[in-house]
Amino acid sequence: AQTVTQSQPEMSVQEAETVTLSCTYDTSENNYYLFWYKQPPSRQMILVIRQEAYKQQNATENRFSVNFQKAAKSFSLKISDSQLGDTAMYFCAFNEAGTALIFGKGTTLSVSS
Amino acid sequence: GAVVSQHPSRVICKSGTSVKIECRSLDFQATTMFWYRQFPKQSLMLMATSNEGSKATYEQGVEKDKFLINHASLTLSTLTVTSAHPEDSSFYICSARGAPETGREKLFFGSGTQLSVL
Repeated sequence: AQTVTQSQPEMSVQEAETVTLSCTYDTSENNYYLFWYKQPPSRQMILVIRQEAYKQQNATENRFSVNFQKAAKSFSLKISDSQLGDTAMYFCAFNEAGTALIFGKGTTLSVSS
Repeated sequence: GAVVSQHPSRVICKSGTSVKIECRSLDFQATTMFWYRQFPKQSLMLMATSNEGSKATYEQGVEKDKFLINHASLTLSTLTVTSAHPEDSSFYICSARGAPETGREKLFFGSGTQLSVL
């Protein structure tokens, strides 16, 4: 069975600094998708970034980038120039095409001024 | 982006009553909908997968007679919590996926429903 592991329950960072959230996963499949979702206090799930496993190039979305290491089954999220609005719970997630997302336990990120 | 509307956003009910939660895809046809449950400060746990016109597939440990899922149309799925008890109090979130050929194969989330059972 596929699993997603986030080993950092809580992280904190100062405004304008950079923080990296870790995620590892386990699967025997070769084609799959990886995601980072943000869940602010409103609890709306917001897609931060998406990576297709067949793409070697790491995905980037403005201040958010990933380090995808397929062989190591690692998928970390780097947030640059952290902002107060980045304070939220972050979930790493995995799926194969057409299937439900499997989520990690989440990392609570606090950004302070 | 695509919009998924979930209603109600918050519901309080008495123990023993039933509660229905609706999940609508507003601008695309959702061939598959997923229902998740989330306890405070925890992850989203998949409860069931529903495909339009067929019976839902429940995850292990989820009582299908307690959590009734109906996906009768391509734009609406409902989750009914029957004979609710305090332990059913939780945040319920739906997500919807369209058919790949429509360009809506990505997953879109509703805004969630907080159920409190007294």
